[in-house]
Amino acid sequence: QKEVEQDPGPLSVPEGAIVSLNCTYSNSAFQYFMWYRQYSRKGPELLMYTYSSGNKEDGRFTAQVDKSSKYISLFIRDSQPSDSATYLCAMSGPPYGNKLVFGAGTILRVKS
Amino acid sequence: SAVISQKPSRDICQRGTSLTIQCQVDSQVTMMFWYRQQPGQSLTLIATANQGSEATYESGFVIDKFPISRPNLTFSTLTVSNMSPEDSSIYLCSVELRPNTPHEQYFGPGTRLTVT
Repeated sequence: QKEVEQDPGPLSVPEGAIVSLNCTYSNSAFQYFMWYRQYSRKGPELLMYTYSSGNKEDGRFTAQVDKSSKYISLFIRDSQPSDSATYLCAMSGPPYGNKLVFGAGTILRVKS
Repeated sequence: SAVISQKPSRDICQRGTSLTIQCQVDSQVTMMFWYRQQPGQSLTLIATANQGSEATYESGFVIDKFPISRPNLTFSTLTVSNMSPEDSSIYLCSVELRPNTPHEQYFGPGTRLTVT
């Protein structure tokens, strides 16, 4: 079993929809939870991170962490075709030190 | 964030040859990492590039196959040696801008390698 599970999709939604992307994990010691966006043929771009549990909002993006359920989410409001990309969750914490543990990535397609 | 560049951006190489990939950052950073992203897959950490000492390799990766240099705080190279088609992948460097901030790790644009 992988330490971080993420549905690879693809997830296809109409423009303007609310998108929910999710990851589950097994290591309860993870402390930081990150979301990266990766466009085709580009490197991953850090969207946002959350420390421990709770919510964090940045524009149309909201990250949620539920440590009791070992479940994290990224919500995208008013989705745009330019949001079409692969979204990777990543986590850090003991025993990994500075290393990141990535999910498989979810392919998102927003249709106009 | 930081401006991270990689050279080459892509290459097609013959099996048995070696390719050196460069990673340049526009500011001094403590931690630099090298990842591999195979087609349709997520990122796998190859090694941590340590300035002034040997790189720290992850399980399944060895120095003879992936020698790494880190001569200063802004530059690192990864060599893929004696290549086979299984080495076809995207190779990415990443940096941690400030010490002990793994949650703020930034990636370069990647090097797309095809081995024929």
